[in-house]
Amino acid sequence: AQKITQTQPGMFVQEKEAVTLDCTYDTSDQSYGLFWYKQPSSGEMIFLIYQGSYDEQNATEGRYSLNFQKARKSANLVISASQLGDSAMYFCAMRGNTGGFKTIFGAGTRLFVKA
Amino acid sequence: DAGITQSPRYKITETGRQVTLMCHQTWSHSYMFWYRQDLGHGLRLIYYSAAADITDKGEVPDGYVVSRSKTENFPLTLESATRSQTSVYFCASSARDSTNEKLFFGSGTQLSVL
Repeated sequence: AQKITQTQPGMFVQEKEAVTLDCTYDTSDQSYGLFWYKQPSSGEMIFLIYQGSYDEQNATEGRYSLNFQKARKSANLVISASQLGDSAMYFCAMRGNTGGFKTIFGAGTRLFVKA
Repeated sequence: DAGITQSPRYKITETGRQVTLMCHQTWSHSYMFWYRQDLGHGLRLIYYSAAADITDKGEVPDGYVVSRSKTENFPLTLESATRSQTSVYFCASSARDSTNEKLFFGSGTQLSVL
């Protein structure tokens, strides 16, 4: 069975500092994708970044990078130079190819950026 | 408007009533999904569909029914609503059979079962 674990219910970070949000996953699929989504207080779900299981380099998208450690089954999100607008809920997700390409999510981490 | 739309945005119902949440997408995406979001649980997959007339159970399917007679529509029905089904429901879609396909989400339906 596939599973996503986010062990940090809440995190605080000082504005302009970097922060790492943890995500570990479990799957028996050889091919899978890992995603991070942001949910601000408005409730919308915003795609941030994607990492494929066969990608050798860590994904980056602007201030977001994904620290992918395949052997440890971890896919941590790193946000550099935090901004007040980064305060939101962050979800790690995985899409495998067993059982119909469904996407499952972790419980989320709420990030608070302090001025 | 193009995209993925959910209706209603808010719904209050009583225990035992049937309620249907609607989801419509204009992209002709193959895959559609229903999630519920609850504090401490993140988003949990209820049902998903790979194409019209193909549906499958997710992580928490009990008490829910789906159908997909047309590619663009994926309604979710609570046959006899219970208080534990009070939640925010998100519909999502993705284009293809691939592990690199991100999800496109609707705005969500906030359902309260009294």
